[in-house]
Amino acid sequence: GESVGLHLPTLSVQEGDNSIINCAYSNSASDYFIWYKQESGKGPQFIIDIRSNMDKRQGQRVTVLLNKTVKHLSLQIAATQPGDSAVYFCAENIYAGGTSYGKLTFGQGTILTVHP
Amino acid sequence: DVKVTQSSRYLVKRTGEKVFLECVQDMDHENMFWYRQDPGLGLRLIYFSYDVKMKEKGDIPEGYSVSREKKERFSLILESASTNQTSMYLCASIPWGRVGYEQYFGPGTRLTVT
Repeated sequence: GESVGLHLPTLSVQEGDNSIINCAYSNSASDYFIWYKQESGKGPQFIIDIRSNMDKRQGQRVTVLLNKTVKHLSLQIAATQPGDSAVYFCAENIYAGGTSYGKLTFGQGTILTVHP
Repeated sequence: DVKVTQSSRYLVKRTGEKVFLECVQDMDHENMFWYRQDPGLGLRLIYFSYDVKMKEKGDIPEGYSVSREKKERFSLILESASTNQTSMYLCASIPWGRVGYEQYFGPGTRLTVT
């Protein structure tokens, strides 16, 4: 079946560096993508999203890039801080006509560790 | 802000017990979801509901059932808990038919079945 996957399960960076977390997806019908951050002991929190008709979207210190040609999604975090340490998930929504009920397919996650 | 709450943060149950996990959201969302989260496997959808008394199976429904008697409340039921159901359980909600909107998650319930 179709799935969302991550290239790197762990990423360690120094405080102040930029971080890039990657995600590959295989379903060309995916029309909406989300990045979530999950801190230890908490539920996933929304970071940023992007629709399939866009290739870049920026938020506060975060940028999501979408390359539909190679089915690749990335999350860039600028000036990474210790508080950014968490597990990051990408998720995709596959539009199948009508309503998809908002169902998402999640990747396995990448652990980001930021060293002071 | 949307608030999704789950009845317990930690639960310890014995094999064979009936277990109820409760989820409540306060934003009048139609769609609610139950996931389990295991290391290396990400979030896997167990069941979801798109209206009161309506439910659909997700990717891993075996061993679970759900109940949605009121719009704001979605319950996950383990009829006879087994050790392989030890996991983190996450509830989420979203307005109906809103493709292109993120799901809002609760804090999770860590269930241990001994």
